[in-house]
Parts: sequence; C-alpha cells; structure tokens
Amino acid sequence: NAGVTQTPKFRILKIGQSMTLQCAQDMNHNYMYWYRQDPGMGLKLIYYSVGAGITDKGEVPNGYNVSRSTTEDFPLRLELAAPSQTSVYFCASRISGGAAGANVLTFGAGSRLTVL
Amino acid sequence: GDSVTQMEGPVTLSEEAFLTINCTYTATGYPSLFWYVQYPGEGLQLLLKATKADDKGSNKGFEATYRKETTSFHLEKGSVQVSDSAVYFCALSDNTGANSKLTFGKGITLSVRP
Repeated sequence: NAGVTQTPKFRILKIGQSMTLQCAQDMNHNYMYWYRQDPGMGLKLIYYSVGAGITDKGEVPNGYNVSRSTTEDFPLRLELAAPSQTSVYFCASRISGGAAGANVLTFGAGSRLTVL
Repeated sequence: GDSVTQMEGPVTLSEEAFLTINCTYTATGYPSLFWYVQYPGEGLQLLLKATKADDKGSNKGFEATYRKETTSFHLEKGSVQVSDSAVYFCALSDNTGANSKLTFGKGITLSVRP
C-alpha cells in the first residue's frame, strides 16, 4: 500500500498566487486531516473531514479551503498566498470510530511551501 | 481546552546514554496518549500509545507510562542510538466520539552523537 501520498513535495509561491496541495490515501480511511508544522510550534490542525462530502474547520483555517468529493482525496486550497502560510503541510488519515486508541494517524511525507 | 506541554529542547546525547523526554497534559475526560516520531525529511509516525491510566506503551526500546495522578506521559529509553535522532511529539486524543481529534505538543529534537 502507498498509504498517504502528498504532492508536491516542495513549492515556491509568490504573494497572491493560488495553489492546491494534493492528498490521497488508499487505505479506505474515512477520516482525513490537514496540519501545518511551523518550527517550535508543533502541529496545528487546519481542516478535517469525517467522510466524503463532510469537512470542518480546525484551529487555523483562515486562508485555506478544502473539499472531499471522494473517500480517497482531500485537497487543500490556498487562494491568496501570504508569507504567513510558509510552512510544512502534512496530510493524515485514520480509520473511523472514536474508541479509545482509534486515533492512530497515518501521515504523508509532507509538502514544504514557501511564499515570497 | 486540551493541551500538551513538552520539555524544551533540543536534546543532545551521546550514544548509549539514557533518555527521558517529559510530557504533561491537560484534558477533560479520559484521553488516550501518544508519542509520534518524525525522522528527517519524513512525516510523523506512531511510536507508542497508551489508552488508559497506568498503561505502559512500548516500542523499539522506548517506553512511556500513562500517569493520571501526575497527568504525565514521559518517554524513556535506556540506551539511545544514533538512529534515534529525530523529532518527538507527545499527543493526546480527546476520545469524544466521531469528531475526536489529536492535540500535539511542540515537539523536541533529539540528536544522538556517536
């Protein structure tokens, strides 16, 4: 299995440009997440989805949009890139259910975005 | 809200040294606790977990015990190797049902020198 696949791995954007970070998983996981990782700040949740057609905001959603048209794909859209969005972005997924211990996430390798 | 506090880093150790990385948490209810590890250039991967008080998670020589009385989940390893050099994240899950999510600490960088 490929697990969670993110593209691109690296991207440089100019201020005001738009782009989409792609995320796909082949594990039939219903739950998918987008995090950003900034140095010394840990991971912050941007958006998440509990299934196709359902998305919800996390801690830091401003400046981002998501969609979930299929179980496999969960793209993250940046409409007007700003320097504050320079970060490493991680997509993750997990199985359904809220039972204790079910929250074991499988992460992608990350996408490093620089906005100049 | 829920929060996870990790000791300040980075940490540099010599090979075969003993490792302790402190983690404390604040949560309502009965969270599950996790340690994730991030090797250079990779995404995070689960290292170990504990789902209830007094549980001990272990993997690859690492251990952590869920201490409800001290709200802690410290990570330990008796003898570190150069290959353990990575960033370590403590995390908790609120286990509130379908929308339960993970809250991560800031992470700590461990460097092990030969």
